Amino acid sequence: EEQLVESGGGLVQPGGSLRLSCAASGFTFSTYAIHWVRQAPGKGLEYVSAINSNGGSTYYANSVKGRFTISRDNSKNTLYLQMGSLRAEDIAVYYCARGTQLALLPDAFDIWGQGTMVTVSS
Amino acid sequence: EIVLTQSPATLSLSPGERATLSCRASQSVSRYLAWYQQKPGQAPRLLIYDASNRATGIPARFSGSGSGTDFTLTISSLEPEDFAVYYCQQRSNWPLAFGGGTKVEIK
Repeated sequence: EEQLVESGGGLVQPGGSLRLSCAASGFTFSTYAIHWVRQAPGKGLEYVSAINSNGGSTYYANSVKGRFTISRDNSKNTLYLQMGSLRAEDIAVYYCARGTQLALLPDAFDIWGQGTMVTVSS
Repeated sequence: EIVLTQSPATLSLSPGERATLSCRASQSVSRYLAWYQQKPGQAPRLLIYDASNRATGIPARFSGSGSGTDFTLTISSLEPEDFAVYYCQQRSNWPLAFGGGTKVEIK
């Protein structure tokens, strides 16, 4: 079964940092771009970031640019999102999602993880 | 930046009825529009990509149409498991964007 499983969410203080992970299984991880999408409580979906299949190209939404860093380790079939300078507006469930292409291109998402919750509060 | 507007916000229907959901883009996205279904506490699930192509395993009662700025998701006959929130998403240009969602609820 093709699967993505996020981990690493939790409670962090404003201005703090957190690293999310997304472990892939059941498919050839190194041949897909992977994306992060978040959803604030009771709200809609917001696109966050993406990385191409070999990790050489990345994209960030303006709302997280300069604060978040996406990376991947294809030897471990794992995607990461290093989150820094966290704010209340970053509170959300963070989903990793598989694109349909290798390259970093605007894409749809055919496999989603179950999500991991990030809470920012003092 | 492309903005997607979904309507209506809520659709109240009975099982067996036909559901018609709309997604309008602020500028043309060609046919690069996807639809997702999300149930409470679950991740979104891809239903339709590139306006009219059903994703793997999606029942034939789900269909998509449209191009340019106006798109429609139709559920021909609602099953109990179809009551959920539906989002459209454009993949024409960066930044990728989602619509605000339409909730299909049981009447």
